[in-house]
Amino acid sequence: QKEVEQNSGPLSVPEGAIASLNCTYSDRGSQSFFWYRQYSGKSPELIMFIYSNGDKEDGRFTAQLNKASQYVSLLIRDSQPSDSATYLCAVRVGGGADGLTFGKGTHLIIQP
Amino acid sequence: SAVISQKPSRDICQRGTSLTIQCQVDSQVTMMFWYRQQPGQSLTLIATANQGSEATYESGFVIDKFPISRPNLTFSTLTVSNMSPEDSSIYLCSVDWQGRETQYFGPGTRLLVL
Repeated sequence: QKEVEQNSGPLSVPEGAIASLNCTYSDRGSQSFFWYRQYSGKSPELIMFIYSNGDKEDGRFTAQLNKASQYVSLLIRDSQPSDSATYLCAVRVGGGADGLTFGKGTHLIIQP
Repeated sequence: SAVISQKPSRDICQRGTSLTIQCQVDSQVTMMFWYRQQPGQSLTLIATANQGSEATYESGFVIDKFPISRPNLTFSTLTVSNMSPEDSSIYLCSVDWQGRETQYFGPGTRLLVL
């Protein structure tokens, strides 16, 4: 059974601070890891994807992957009120032909 | 990334009826996926649709309830059959963006079954 766990929150972070979102997964065969942002009433928007152990940076976002610990995280630097949303962690076991298994999401609130 | 559209964007249906949801992509893609997001929940994969072959369904989802068509590389439909209030959800299609192995989502179809 593939499972992806996230703390549902809400996680409250002051504006300008670093928001840290965490995710664990159960299937050691997972190969690809994704972070999506979902605003209320909208569809998920891809933020980051990572395949290899270590860090991957894109602007204010950094994804971190530790396959040995089955742990993925997303750091958001210089948090803005517009970052307030639900962040969904997703994993894929196989290649591009496979669908994603999603966590329940972490609700992030950036306080002005 | 691909531009994905879905029709209808929302609908209110009576129990026992069926609704067909369309997903259109502006470029050819190999894989298309259908997900469901029930109120307050995360996304659950319903099935994977590859052009020219039958869809592959996840555990808990069956073809009689959720028939899927994939007639070409830019289009797919999902039908929700014999609907009950438990089918009230957002239904989303996504595509696997070739070369990047990432998935992008359409805007979703909000379905309310009375």
